[in-house]
Amino acid sequence: AQSVTQLGSHVSVSEGALVLLRCNYSSSVPPYLFWYVQYPNQGLQLLLKYTSAATLVKGINGFEAEFKKSETSFHLTKPSAHMSDAAEYFCAVSLTDSWGKLQFGAGTQVVVTP
Amino acid sequence: KAGVTQTPRYLIKTRGQQVTLSCSPISGHRSVSWYQQTPGQGLQFLFEYFSETQRNKGNFPGRFSGRQFSNSRSEMNVSTLELGDSALYLCASSLDSRETGELFFGEGSRLTVL
Repeated sequence: AQSVTQLGSHVSVSEGALVLLRCNYSSSVPPYLFWYVQYPNQGLQLLLKYTSAATLVKGINGFEAEFKKSETSFHLTKPSAHMSDAAEYFCAVSLTDSWGKLQFGAGTQVVVTP
Repeated sequence: KAGVTQTPRYLIKTRGQQVTLSCSPISGHRSVSWYQQTPGQGLQFLFEYFSETQRNKGNFPGRFSGRQFSNSRSEMNVSTLELGDSALYLCASSLDSRETGELFFGEGSRLTVL
């Protein structure tokens, strides 16, 4: 069964510091992987997606993620945190040909301190 | 361009009642997916519709049902409400989830069951 694991339910970073959010997946076939962000009282917004075109994926708001098949990982990074990055981040995977059906990780709450 | 609209945004029901939630996708989008979000279970896939046909279904009891109309608007219904049905219900739309890979989420309908 496909599963997604996000390490760390809460992450605190200083403004200007590196943001690193970890996501590992278990799959017997190459997956489609996504990172979504959810701001308070809002729906989810796509940050970036991996669909096998390139292992390093650049997204919006300065985020990027690298697909590492050997490590079954898809970690999200941003070189310099901004106060506006405070939100909950979800890693998601789809094995089917329909990306409307996603399996989400438990989420990581990011707090940015001045 | 209007985003995904969900109504009502907030509602309170009592156990045993039923509820209908509505989702209007972005104009031109034909795929609609529904997700349930709770603190304990996180984000869980309910179902996905494309051109009025259910394409995928999650692991929820038969009390949860949905449909999509010819204008792509979608509704989901929960009958015989239980306390555990209290959640944020998110609707997401896409042009065709098999092609673009990006879901656009609404802000959700927050259901409280007393």
